[in-house]
This record gives sequence, structure tokens and C-alpha cells, in this order.
Amino acid sequence: DVKVTQSSRYLVKRTGEKVFLECVQDMDHENMFWYRQDPGLGLRLIYFSYDVKMKEKGDIPEGYSVSREKKERFSLILESASTNQTSMYLCASKINPGGYTFGSGTRLTVV
Amino acid sequence: ELKVEQNPLFLSMQEGKNYTIYCNYSTTSDRLYWYRQDPGKSLESLFVLLSNGAVKQEGRLMASLDTKARLSTLHITAAVHDLSATYFCAVDEYNNNDMRFGAGTRLTVKP
Repeated sequence: DVKVTQSSRYLVKRTGEKVFLECVQDMDHENMFWYRQDPGLGLRLIYFSYDVKMKEKGDIPEGYSVSREKKERFSLILESASTNQTSMYLCASKINPGGYTFGSGTRLTVV
Repeated sequence: ELKVEQNPLFLSMQEGKNYTIYCNYSTTSDRLYWYRQDPGKSLESLFVLLSNGAVKQEGRLMASLDTKARLSTLHITAAVHDLSATYFCAVDEYNNNDMRFGAGTRLTVKP
């Protein structure tokens, strides 16, 4: 089974901090994704990557950046955390055709 | 832009009853996925439907896909409390690497 591991389950950060969320998958999946999930807003795509060093903006990329230096690792970066970035962050990987495999999620609180 | 609509968004049902959740999408696709999410947890893959007429069953849940109607259904038979969760459908779009999710159906099964 593909495993997608997110480095932290819970994080509390201060406003203005630079925050790194890490995601690692243990299969050779080309595609990796970062979503955030908020009550009443569903899952919203932040960024995705279809290959090493490649990235594409999703629906809500503002305030975020990503890094994919190795195929197995996809990092989400909050350049200067703000309280409106308090959310559940979900990483997923995918091979075509096939569905997503999600990580366990990171619940980030920005205070 | 691909749109995915689920209904109902909220479903409260008695144990032992049957019900169907509907997932409509707006573009040609023969790749549809169902996920389950428990409160505070990540999404877990339930079904992968990759062709017109595909039907998959697992326990009390059965999913089907009609690509001509652009419709998938998730049928619940003789509901039990353990099925209480939020169910998402998601659609793969041709030539795109990401998927679009429905808003989710929050199912509550009462004794």
C-alpha cells in the first residue's frame, strides 16, 4: 500500500512565522498535491506538482509556496503565517489513472 | 471548469434504512472516486470507478458510475451507526493531473 506521511499532526505557530509542512510518499508517484480543508468550504487545492521541480498553482495559492526537490517529498511553505491560514492541511499523492492517497493531515493553528 | 455536485449535503437516517447519495459532474470523465472522512481525520479511499457502468461494493456500500449521465451514486443498504462519516466524491478530468471534489455528504446514522 502507498503510504503518504505528513510530518506533524498538530502545529501551533505565531503570526508572521515561516512554516514548513512536509509530505513524503513511499511509492513512485509522479503527482503530489496540497489541499486545505475548512468547514463549509470543502477541499481547496493550493498547489500540485507532477514532477520533480515542477509545480502548478491550484485554486488558492496566495500566501503559500511549494518545493519538490525529490520525487518522494513535497513541501508546503507558508511564507508569513496569518490567522486566516489556520486550517487542516492535507497532502496527497496520485498515479494516473488512480485516486489519491491522502496523508493523515496536519491541523495548523496560527495564533 | 469542472464542477462536481453532491446531494444531499446532510443526511440523517435511521439504522436499518437504505439511502442513496448522488454525485453529478459537468464534464466528460470516466474516472470517479469515493472517499470517506471521519471527524478530525484524513480522507480514506472507498471506491475507484474507471469505466461506464462500473459497480463496486464493499459491505453495506455500493457505488456505480454512469458516464453518459455524468452521475455516480453511493447506495447505503441497512445503515449502521459505524457508517456515520462524511462522504466525498471526486472526478478526474482528462488532461489534468488534479481532481475536483464534491462538497461532501455528512451522514449521521441514528439508532
